[in-house]
Amino acid sequence: GDSVTQMEGPVTLSEEAFLTINCTYTATGYPSLFWYVQYPGEGLQLLLKATKADDKGSNKGFEATYRKETTSFHLEKGSVQVSDSAVYFCALSDGGSQGNLIFGKGTKLSVKP
Amino acid sequence: EPEVTQTPSHQVTQMGQEVILRCVPISNHLYFYWYRQILGQKVEFLVSFYNNEISEKSEIFDDQFSVERPDGSNFTLKIRSTKLEDSAMYFCASNPAQGAYSNQPQHFGDGTRLSIL
Repeated sequence: GDSVTQMEGPVTLSEEAFLTINCTYTATGYPSLFWYVQYPGEGLQLLLKATKADDKGSNKGFEATYRKETTSFHLEKGSVQVSDSAVYFCALSDGGSQGNLIFGKGTKLSVKP
Repeated sequence: EPEVTQTPSHQVTQMGQEVILRCVPISNHLYFYWYRQILGQKVEFLVSFYNNEISEKSEIFDDQFSVERPDGSNFTLKIRSTKLEDSAMYFCASNPAQGAYSNQPQHFGDGTRLSIL
């Protein structure tokens, strides 16, 4: 079945460092891809999305490009802040009418001042 | 901005007891979901609900689980006889109106932490 694989965490960076969180997927159809973020003590919030190959999703300085040839959707940010400390989840929607999400395990990011 | 709200934020229950987790989806949404996240593991799909019936359910969603939309606003998840392994964070989500197109992002609540003793 469809699945999402994320890089293992935790990831610890200094403020203003460059961030990459790898995400690859396996899907039989043409999924939509998402990054969700979970700040401490809060629920899941949509960070960005891409619905077809070569689309780039972006929000709050984060970017991810839907790469069909490498089945990847890596999350990047050029300069992280302490406030970016959270758990980041890559997810896909299997394209079915119900829009159910399949999540990766999540990557915890800690940014130190 | 409208939010999905979940209550309670933390529920502690004795093993074997019934528990009901409550959710109020965004008012004009039509598709509703429950997910769970066991500590340290991935977020897993449990069930989706549309037009007052279950649309799809995962292997996790066995006979001990049920969902209901008892009125026009609430969406509940019931676990009939809880087990230790039901301890997890449970997330409710809803999808915008006019159908759950796969490119529409789901809106999540803050979750209910369920602890089974």
